[in-house]
Amino acid sequence: DQQVKQNSPSLSVQEGRISILNCDYTNSMFDYFLWYKKYPAEGPTFLISISSIKDKNEDGRFTVFLNKSAKHLSLHIVPSQPGDSAVYFCAASNAGGTSYGKLTFGQGTILTVHP
Amino acid sequence: EAGVTQFPSHSVIEKGQTVTLRCDPISGHDNLYWYRRVMGKEIKFLLHFVKESKQDESGMPNNRFLAERTGGTYSTLKVQPAELEDSGVYFCASRPTGLSYYGYTFGSGTRLTVV
Repeated sequence: DQQVKQNSPSLSVQEGRISILNCDYTNSMFDYFLWYKKYPAEGPTFLISISSIKDKNEDGRFTVFLNKSAKHLSLHIVPSQPGDSAVYFCAASNAGGTSYGKLTFGQGTILTVHP
Repeated sequence: EAGVTQFPSHSVIEKGQTVTLRCDPISGHDNLYWYRRVMGKEIKFLLHFVKESKQDESGMPNNRFLAERTGGTYSTLKVQPAELEDSGVYFCASRPTGLSYYGYTFGSGTRLTVV
């Protein structure tokens, strides 16, 4: 039973264009969401997060949108750069739960940005 | 500040053997997590330590896996005896005390191959 899903295994975009990565979740107890970026042979690194009380959070070129009614979130990268090429993981947490900090991840989306 | 350190970075063992993975969290981080990614799938939670105590071990696959965190510093994850399906990348993460995801940091992982 996978509670966080990233249905696109890969995404290819041109440098300078927008990259949109999507994530769906099923557990309505999730109240905090994070995006991680992972390069080969490295661990995931935090990118941006959003609390369930918000519907948008922006940090530079990165914006995360949350649609609670649809249980859907997306990460927008504008403009995309070749250095953004990596695997992107969506993660969710029940911040009010007993195991604070336990993250449930999606399968990841491989983003390739072409020069 | 040193990051989360894991070793070995790679390990190849035969089915039935024992392997011990080690994680050194960021100094002062009371929370330590183990995760695993199998075959390019999602990153799955294994367990969570708060200092030397197991807060949540609901993700441990079976009793062939034993995690310890003596003295609340570094942690080890032992697999005994290893099976083919244990192959994957094992990530450790640490986080400071408190109700915040700030500072939640992953190590580079240990790639375990069981042959």
